[in-house]
Amino acid sequence: SAVISQKPSRDICQRGTSLTIQCQVDSQVTMMFWYRQQPGQSLTLIATANQGSEATYESGFVIDKFPISRPNLTFSTLTVSNMSPEDSSIYLCSVYSDRGPSYEQYFGPGTRLTVT
Amino acid sequence: QKEVEQNSGPLSVPEGAIASLNCTYSDRGSQSFFWYRQYSGKSPELIMFIYSNGDKEDGRFTAQLNKASQYVSLLIRDSQPSDSATYLCAALPEGTSYGKLTFGQGTILTVHP
Repeated sequence: SAVISQKPSRDICQRGTSLTIQCQVDSQVTMMFWYRQQPGQSLTLIATANQGSEATYESGFVIDKFPISRPNLTFSTLTVSNMSPEDSSIYLCSVYSDRGPSYEQYFGPGTRLTVT
Repeated sequence: QKEVEQNSGPLSVPEGAIASLNCTYSDRGSQSFFWYRQYSGKSPELIMFIYSNGDKEDGRFTAQLNKASQYVSLLIRDSQPSDSATYLCAALPEGTSYGKLTFGQGTILTVHP
């Protein structure tokens, strides 16, 4: 299985500021995914980060609010911009490994963000 | 909208019993299904994935898939207090690229001694 690390593990930020979250994987992967888990809720996909191309965003998420970088095959960043208390969530980086007719998907330890 | 539904629980079982967790999905074309365990304050940990009808066993865990009825279940045999966690069911909808999972709300499982 892939080993995923994220920085920071948690942060408390003031509204109107931005935070950049880093994700590092121990092997090269084509795609990396960013999910959000709001308090008491399940996981929602924010965007897919492909190396060498623009990230693709899911409905309800926009690049201006969540800009993503993917400079190489093991690293990605997600920025949460102009934060409001509604952005308080756990942000999770995810990758998958092919397993023949299916695959396994793994999540990083998460970044717990609190916006005050 | 493609949905994955779980009973939020909490589901309480005594130690040593079988815990049965259920999940239904709306997209009939969904191909792969995943069960994750999430301890409080931690990230989801993959327990099982299943893509064929029938049962798949791994240690104390058995995943069951019934595509005709559009449900997936997870059985935990000989439940232990350490199994107490939220269990998330996830599906890969038809036509969706790998990695883009739709998650259920999760079922809280409590195993009491």
